Amino acid sequence: ETGVTQTPRHLVMGMTNKKSLKCEQHLGHNAMYWYKQSAKKPLELMFVYNFKEQTENNSVPSRFSPECPNSSHLFLHLHTLQPEDSALYLCASSQDSGTGYTFGSGTRLTVV
Amino acid sequence: TQLLEQSPQFLSIQEGENLTVYCNSSSVFSSLQWYRQEPGEGPVLLVTVVTGGEVKKLKRLTFQFGDARKDSSLHITAAQPGDTGLYLCAGEGYSSASKIIFGSGTRLSIRP
Repeated sequence: ETGVTQTPRHLVMGMTNKKSLKCEQHLGHNAMYWYKQSAKKPLELMFVYNFKEQTENNSVPSRFSPECPNSSHLFLHLHTLQPEDSALYLCASSQDSGTGYTFGSGTRLTVV
Repeated sequence: TQLLEQSPQFLSIQEGENLTVYCNSSSVFSSLQWYRQEPGEGPVLLVTVVTGGEVKKLKRLTFQFGDARKDSSLHITAAQPGDTGLYLCAGEGYSSASKIIFGSGTRLSIRP
């Protein structure tokens, strides 16, 4: 149990589907993040939320839409994705800068 | 653009051997973290170093932050198969707008 729970663990979706990834943390952290991890590439930061407010949108295509209803929950809504969007999507949380992240186990997304 | 380069990219050694992996940058960081990621899971924080020249030990793992705060190393003594995984370093800058950036990782395999 890492303290950050992501669902689903695996997702296969067609390019015309709409799906959502969910992340939940009960660590009392004030920041939550979405990262994309593709083979042979560094972790790519997608979105950052601090106290429910989005503070970072790292030039992510609009087919990815984040939602943070409260400081414990984070969603990533997906629609009309492309095959190149297939990757491991990781959620993380942190309390203060320099203290490190707690990651979830990720959602392995395959777009067909 | 800040970049973190990790070397080697891949390392396969026999159980019981020692190894060192490196994390280098031309940028100065306020702190640097090391994570280990196992297949199908998210990265797990191993250590955070914050002071130039700092050395931290975690059982058989020794982490060092460079004096100039631009680089770090991870040394493993008497490697075990359980040490197998992807080792990621991540650096955080000084400004409030700084993001944590990740290296592309060292994939370590320990043969029994």
